[in-house]
Amino acid sequence: AQSVAQPEDQVNVAEGNPLTVKCTYSVSGNPYLFWYVQYPNRGLQFLLKYITGDNLVKGSYGFEAEFNKSQTSFHLKKPSALVSDSALYFCAVAMIYNQGGKLIFGQGTELSVKP
Amino acid sequence: KAGVTQTPRYLIKTRGQQVTLSCSPISGHRSVSWYQQTPGQGLQFLFEYFSETQRNKGNFPGRFSGRQFSNSRSEMNVSTLELGDSALYLCASSLGQGASYEQYFGPGTRLTVT
Repeated sequence: AQSVAQPEDQVNVAEGNPLTVKCTYSVSGNPYLFWYVQYPNRGLQFLLKYITGDNLVKGSYGFEAEFNKSQTSFHLKKPSALVSDSALYFCAVAMIYNQGGKLIFGQGTELSVKP
Repeated sequence: KAGVTQTPRYLIKTRGQQVTLSCSPISGHRSVSWYQQTPGQGLQFLFEYFSETQRNKGNFPGRFSGRQFSNSRSEMNVSTLELGDSALYLCASSLGQGASYEQYFGPGTRLTVT
């Protein structure tokens, strides 16, 4: 069965420092991987996705993610964190069927960036 | 372009009642998916609609149903509400069917069952 794990419930970072939010996955076949962010009382916002190609994927708001097939990981990174990056981050893997599909989400990681 | 809109934003219902939630996708998007978000279970897939047809269904009881109209707008219905149905219900639209497309989420409907 396909699954996604985010091993850290919370990540605390000082503003200006680099941040990493971890994600590991378990899929059969080639993975379609996503990162979404959720701000309080808001829906999810798409950050980036990996389908194929370069292992380093660049996304919105200065975020990037590194796909590592041997470690089955897709960690989200940002070189310099902002207080406004504080939010709930979700990693997801797409299950593709003959018709349609669905996203399977990790449990989420609360990112807190302190000034 | 306007984003995904969901109505109502907040809803309070009593056990045993039924509820209908509405979702209007981004213009041009033909696929609509629904997710339930709770603190305990996280984000769980409910169903996906494309061209007025349900393409996939998650592991939810038959009390949860949905439909999609010819203009791609979608509704989901929950009958005989239970306390455990209290959740944030999120609708997402995408250009094509299948989860390989980016999904754009609405703000959600917060359902509270008392």
